Amino acid sequence: NAGVTQTPKFRILKIGQSMTLQCAQDMNHNYMYWYRQDPGMGLKLIYYSVGAGITDKGEVPNGYNVSRSTTEDFPLRLELAAPSQTSVYFCASSYMGPGGAKYNEQFFGPGTRLTVL
Amino acid sequence: AQTVTQSQPEMSVQEAETVTLSCTYDTSESNYYLFWYKQPPSRQMILVIRQEAYKQQNATENRFSVNFQKAAKSFSLKISDSQLGDTAMYFCAFMTYNQGGKLIFGQGTELSVKP
Repeated sequence: NAGVTQTPKFRILKIGQSMTLQCAQDMNHNYMYWYRQDPGMGLKLIYYSVGAGITDKGEVPNGYNVSRSTTEDFPLRLELAAPSQTSVYFCASSYMGPGGAKYNEQFFGPGTRLTVL
Repeated sequence: AQTVTQSQPEMSVQEAETVTLSCTYDTSESNYYLFWYKQPPSRQMILVIRQEAYKQQNATENRFSVNFQKAAKSFSLKISDSQLGDTAMYFCAFMTYNQGGKLIFGQGTELSVKP
């Protein structure tokens, strides 16, 4: 199993450009997450999904969009990139059983370092 | 809203010695999980240890153990016999039950293990 994969590893964007960060997992996990990590800070949740076709906002969703058409993929779209979106982006996935109370470990991808100039 | 606070931005320890990283959190929930994650220079997030709030016994994983004080909302990580490979950022994180598995992270503590 490859686990959680993210592409690209690095990207430099100009202000106003758009891009999609790709995330895929091959563990048949139902829950997927996007976090951002600003320099010297902890991770903050952008969006998450509890299954194909279902997404919801996290703590810092402004400037981003997501979709989840398959169990495996959870792309993150940046429209009109701004310098404030310079960050490292992590995708994660987990399996949550019925009822949602049972814990299962979140597995993280290697991250995408994005710079907006 | 839940918050997680790590008050030690940086710490250092000599190889083979013991170090304790601090974490406090704020929540009105009674059922939750607490975690310590390690982030080495490779940026990979690695789960070190987790604690379920309803369990009074402190979790241990080899050289890593926690001191969980639920009433004080404190969750510290003790690393025994520190090794050079323990050099990393360490994040404390919180998750409540039935909220989609969302993790709330502290700001992190940068740990340096010196030979």
